[in-house]
Amino acid sequence: DQQVKQNSPSLSVQEGRISILNCDYTNSMFDYFLWYKKYPAEGPTFLISISSIKDKNEDGRFTVFLNKSAKHLSLHIVPSQPGDSAVYFCAAVGSSGSARQLTFGSGTQLTVLP
Amino acid sequence: KAGVTQTPRYLIKTRGQQVTLSCSPISGHRSVSWYQQTPGQGLQFLFEYFSETQRNKGNFPGRFSGRQFSNSRSEMNVSTLELGDSALYLCASSLVATGQETQYFGPGTRLLVL
Repeated sequence: DQQVKQNSPSLSVQEGRISILNCDYTNSMFDYFLWYKKYPAEGPTFLISISSIKDKNEDGRFTVFLNKSAKHLSLHIVPSQPGDSAVYFCAAVGSSGSARQLTFGSGTQLTVLP
Repeated sequence: KAGVTQTPRYLIKTRGQQVTLSCSPISGHRSVSWYQQTPGQGLQFLFEYFSETQRNKGNFPGRFSGRQFSNSRSEMNVSTLELGDSALYLCASSLVATGQETQYFGPGTRLLVL
């Protein structure tokens, strides 16, 4: 039972265009969401996060949008660059007391074509 | 500040053997979490340690265990290895275990079980 789903295993985008990566979740107790980027042979690196009290957070070329009613979040990368080619994981954190757990999606491989 | 380090980086074992993986968190970080990454499954949460205590555990069999030392370094042990245990094992550290702390990942240990 996947509580965080990334339904697109891969995405190809032309350099300079917008990349949109999507993520859906089922657990309404999640109140904090993160995006991680992972290159081969490296651990995931934190990219951007958003609290459930917000619907948008922006950091340079990266913007995360949260639609709580639809239990959906998306990561927009504008403009996309070849160096953005990586696997992107979305993750969610529940607010159940002091036990904190990141639940990850299965990832989306983004390829930015030059 | 040095990042999260994991040793060894690569490991080959045979079925039935046991293995111990090590993780050194970022200096000052007291929480260490472990994840298993397999193709198509994303990152599956194994357990989290904080101040030498296991705070949270994922849905893995008892063959998977861990511990944390007073200096926050953590080890993960897998006994009676099975072919399906072949995966990338990632550890992540964060300052504290509660709240919305960003987790910082190490490069992982790639385990191959033959």
